[in-house]
Amino acid sequence: KAGVTQTPRYLIKTRGQQVTLSCSPISGHRSVSWYQQTPGQGLQFLFEYFSETQRNKGNFPGRFSGRQFSNSRSEMNVSTLELGDSALYLCASSLEGGDEQFFGPGTRLTVL
Amino acid sequence: AQSVTQLGSHVSVSEGALVLLRCNYSSSVPPYLFWYVQYPNQGLQLLLKYTSAATLVKGINGFEAEFKKSETSFHLTKPSAHMSDAAEYFCAVTGGYGNKLVFGAGTILRVKS
Repeated sequence: KAGVTQTPRYLIKTRGQQVTLSCSPISGHRSVSWYQQTPGQGLQFLFEYFSETQRNKGNFPGRFSGRQFSNSRSEMNVSTLELGDSALYLCASSLEGGDEQFFGPGTRLTVL
Repeated sequence: AQSVTQLGSHVSVSEGALVLLRCNYSSSVPPYLFWYVQYPNQGLQLLLKYTSAATLVKGINGFEAEFKKSETSFHLTKPSAHMSDAAEYFCAVTGGYGNKLVFGAGTILRVKS
């Protein structure tokens, strides 16, 4: 069974631009969560989607948004990029009622 | 609310020595606890999990962890370190399925030959 895939793996943007990251969960997994990883703040929860609905949200500004499609694939969008948004963005999927999250390889975003 | 504290941002052991990575948690509900490992430029891989069954949990690659409610701890151990164990390790807690994972700051394990 294929694992969680994330595209693109690397992105370079400039301040003020917007970016969209994509995540395809493991087949059959309906929950998708997003995390931001930075050297200063560590791993922080962004949001979770389940059956196309946002079920949990972390403490990030409204510039960070996401959505989930009917096939469980998810996208996250960051608008008006700031230098501090440079990070590794990790996506994780889990089964409905599952207690284990499976992580993708991440998308490394660099904001110049 | 949940939180995790990992004692020691860097741990160095000799190859063949015991590995002990410390994790203490705080949770207002019965916790689910996890240890993940991250190799450079990769995502997180689950080593093991505690979900209210046996308090001694065995994971992959010879790692195990013991849940101690009285000490609010979930320390990760491995009897004999291997060079391939060098990575960053994260302890995480959640209140159950469908809830966000709250991670500790991570511990970088260095294995000396």
